[in-house]
Amino acid sequence: GQNIDQPTEMTATEGAIVQINCTYQTSGFNGLFWYQQHAGEAPTFLSYNVLDGLEEKGRFSSFLSRSKGYSYLLLKELQMKDSASYLCAVRDSNYQLIWGAGTKLIIKP
Amino acid sequence: GAGVSQSPRYKVAKRGQDVALRCDPISGHVSLFWYQQALGQGPEFLTYFQNEAQLDKSGLPSDRFFAERPEGSVSTLKIQRTQQEDSAVYLCASSPDGSSYNEQFFGPGTRLTVL
Repeated sequence: GQNIDQPTEMTATEGAIVQINCTYQTSGFNGLFWYQQHAGEAPTFLSYNVLDGLEEKGRFSSFLSRSKGYSYLLLKELQMKDSASYLCAVRDSNYQLIWGAGTKLIIKP
Repeated sequence: GAGVSQSPRYKVAKRGQDVALRCDPISGHVSLFWYQQALGQGPEFLTYFQNEAQLDKSGLPSDRFFAERPEGSVSTLKIQRTQQEDSAVYLCASSPDGSSYNEQFFGPGTRLTVL
């Protein structure tokens, strides 16, 4: 079966750095996405990785290792507004997005 | 520059009632997706359209679920004889074309509660 694993919940302090991990086992791989979802709102796109390595976009970076079936999302200089769920999704061989359950990130002052 | 819109935002239905959920994608977007999201879970794929063609409906949980996009723009997800387990947020997303790169743009969702 297809599986995306990420921690259920993480807590971090405002101004700090946090890394959210995602491991996956899917039938085929055509890219990995990270989305942010505030409670009661739609997911919004953060990043896309299809090749191994680090993609940096402002305070957010995303890393991919295809051989390990592993990705992480790195958030720097955390702000209170970063409190949200972070969803990892993998596009499989059928070009369907397979989603993880999301990691709820709680930012404390 | 309107984004994806969905209506209604909230729907309460009695068990056994039929419901219709509407999605207006971003103008010109070729691909349209429907997802079901239970509380505390990630979205679960339901079905996918490219223009008016329904290319994948493998995620529809039963034959009570039906989706259409007759003119390649607005889409409707219909659920017949609703059951309590159908209670969830139904998300619609669109993307410019069928490329594997493109991000999906999500609507705000319709929260369906079946009593």
